[in-house]
Amino acid sequence: QKEVEQDPGPLSVPEGAIVSLNCTYSNSAFQYFMWYRQYSRKGPELLMYTYSSGNKEDGRFTAQVDKSSKYISLFIRDSQPSDSATYLCAMSAQAGSQGNLIFGKGTKLSVKP
Amino acid sequence: DAGVTQSPTHLIKTRGQQVTLRCSPKSGHDTVSWYQQALGQGPQFIFQYYEEEERQRGNFPDRFSGHQFPNYSSELNVNALLLGDSALYLCASSYGTKGFGTQYFGPGTRLTVL
Repeated sequence: QKEVEQDPGPLSVPEGAIVSLNCTYSNSAFQYFMWYRQYSRKGPELLMYTYSSGNKEDGRFTAQVDKSSKYISLFIRDSQPSDSATYLCAMSAQAGSQGNLIFGKGTKLSVKP
Repeated sequence: DAGVTQSPTHLIKTRGQQVTLRCSPKSGHDTVSWYQQALGQGPQFIFQYYEEEERQRGNFPDRFSGHQFPNYSSELNVNALLLGDSALYLCASSYGTKGFGTQYFGPGTRLTVL
């Protein structure tokens, strides 16, 4: 079993839809959870980060962490064609500066106009 | 404010050769991490440098080595290249040893081994 599991998709939705992206993990030591967006042939761009369990909202994006279920989610409201990218979840047992990030494989999202 | 920069953008090498990739961290950052991203996969941690020393290392062979300079920039060296080393190599920078220390990624160097 891999440490972090993420459905690679692809996921195709119409513009304006609510998108739900998910990852599961097996290492209970993970405390820091991140979502990165990666456009084709570019480096990952940090979207959201959370510590431990709970929700965090930033504009159209909401990140949720359920440590009891070892499950994290990213919701995108009112999705736009510009949201079309690969979304990577990442997690670490230590603060980002000190810890190496363990990534999922990424989910490829396409938002159709 | 300049973000993380990497050079070169693309590189083509043949099996057995050696390669050096370079990274300049985001202004104010002192920690550099290197990741390998194979096609269709998430990035995999290679190693992390802080205060010119390797602080952590992932599951990569000794053919992968690195260096951090006093100005915090960093190099990744790969010896005896294999076909399987073809990937996007990402550099991420962060600050300090306290607090969350979010890692910011550069655009990557795409290495092709023929």
